[in-house]
Amino acid sequence: AQSVTQLDSQVPVFEEAPVELRCNYSSSVSVYLFWYVQYPNQGLQLLLKYLSGSTLVKGINGFEAEFNKSQTSFHLRKPSVHISDTAEYFCAVTFTGGGNKLTFGTGTQLKVEL
Amino acid sequence: ETGVTQSPTHLIKTRGQQVTLRCSSQSGHNTVSWYQQALGQGPQFIFQYYREEENGRGNFPPRFSGLQFPNYSSELNVNALELDDSALYLCASSLTIAAASSTDTQYFGPGTRLTVL
Repeated sequence: AQSVTQLDSQVPVFEEAPVELRCNYSSSVSVYLFWYVQYPNQGLQLLLKYLSGSTLVKGINGFEAEFNKSQTSFHLRKPSVHISDTAEYFCAVTFTGGGNKLTFGTGTQLKVEL
Repeated sequence: ETGVTQSPTHLIKTRGQQVTLRCSSQSGHNTVSWYQQALGQGPQFIFQYYREEENGRGNFPPRFSGLQFPNYSSELNVNALELDDSALYLCASSLTIAAASSTDTQYFGPGTRLTVL
C-alpha cells in the first residue's frame, strides 16, 4: 500500500520569504507524485506533478518541487511567497498501473504574514 | 471549456437518511472520481468510474454507491447516513487513456459540504 506523510501541519512564513513544504511517501512500487493547492471553500487545483525525467519539476504560481528517490521525498518550494499563497497544500501519489486513484497526505496549511 | 461543477453546495441531513450528490465533469472527460475530505484531513478516495463502469473502490462500505452517465454527469449516493459521513465531498474528472492509467491530471470541483445531524 502507498502512503504519504506531510510532516508539517502548519507553516507560517513572512511575505517575500522562501518556503519549503515537506512531503515523504512510502510505496513498494513506482509512484507518480502530485502537489495540489486548496484555497478556502474551493476544490483542489493541481500545482505540479512528477511523472518521469528531470527530478526538478516546475509548476504554476512560481512553485517547484524536487523528486528524491533515495529519500522518498517530493518537497515543494517557492523562493518568495505572497499573501495570496495562503492556502492548504496537499501532496498525493498514484502508483504504476493502479489507475488515477490519488492517495493524499493530511495537508500543510501555509500562512503568509506581512 | 467549463470546469467541474457540483451540487448542492451545502446539505444538511439527519442520521439514517439517504443523500444524492451530483457532479458535472468537464466536457469530454471519461473518468470521474469521488473523494471524501473530513475536517482537517486530506481527501480519501471513495471510488472511480471509467466509461460508466466502476474502476476501483477505496475503503468505503457498500452504502456508498455511484453512477456515471453518458452526458459527463455523475452521482454519489450514500444510504443510512451516519454522523461520521459529515465531510466535504469532492468529485474530480479526467481524460483517461486506459482504465489503469495513473498519470492523468484530475480536475476537481468545489465540493459539496454534507452535515449529518
